[in-house]
Amino acid sequence: RKEVEQDPGPFNVPEGATVAFNCTYSNSASQSFFWYRQDCRKEPKLLMSVYSSGNEDGRFTAQLNRASQYISLLIRDSKLSDSATYLCVVNEGGYQKVTFGTGTKLQVIP
Amino acid sequence: EPEVTQTPSHQVTQMGQEVILRCVPISNHLYFYWYRQILGQKVEFLVSFYNNEISEKSEIFDDQFSVERPDGSNFTLKIRSTKLEDSAMYFCASSGIGRNYGYTFGSGTRLTVV
Repeated sequence: RKEVEQDPGPFNVPEGATVAFNCTYSNSASQSFFWYRQDCRKEPKLLMSVYSSGNEDGRFTAQLNRASQYISLLIRDSKLSDSATYLCVVNEGGYQKVTFGTGTKLQVIP
Repeated sequence: EPEVTQTPSHQVTQMGQEVILRCVPISNHLYFYWYRQILGQKVEFLVSFYNNEISEKSEIFDDQFSVERPDGSNFTLKIRSTKLEDSAMYFCASSGIGRNYGYTFGSGTRLTVV
């Protein structure tokens, strides 16, 4: 079983739509969770950390479900500039290493 | 906003040659990392570095690879005797202290082995 699993997509959504991505992780001892965004041939950029109680940053909402071992990212009012690959990133403890999912590709269409 | 700087942005090398990829992490960060991403694939962990020594490394990081922090600012990845399959984007990252303190990545070095 993959350590961090994501639906690769692509998710093609119209501007203004709401879209949600899920990510499952296999290690129940995982402690820290993040969503990163990666544009084509660019470096990953931190979008947001995911806190146990869930957290929101503008149009973006992240949730953590420890019992089912998944995290989610909700994007409201999608914009063309949201088109990118969204990477689920999990830290299993300490700061030594994080594991990346394969990413979910989002394409927002005019 | 502080950033991680990587040089060169693109390196082309012949198979069997040695390359050194350079990184300047964010100055007050304590943890440094190298990751790589083969075109079309996921980002893979190579090595983490803390307190002037390797703290963890992956199976990819074999004897062909080494890291060094030669001074107070640079962090380098050396690849000896490069192979065609080493062609990838290599990302340096650094992080501070705190469980939810995500990494900051550099813009990467695209290594092409011919």
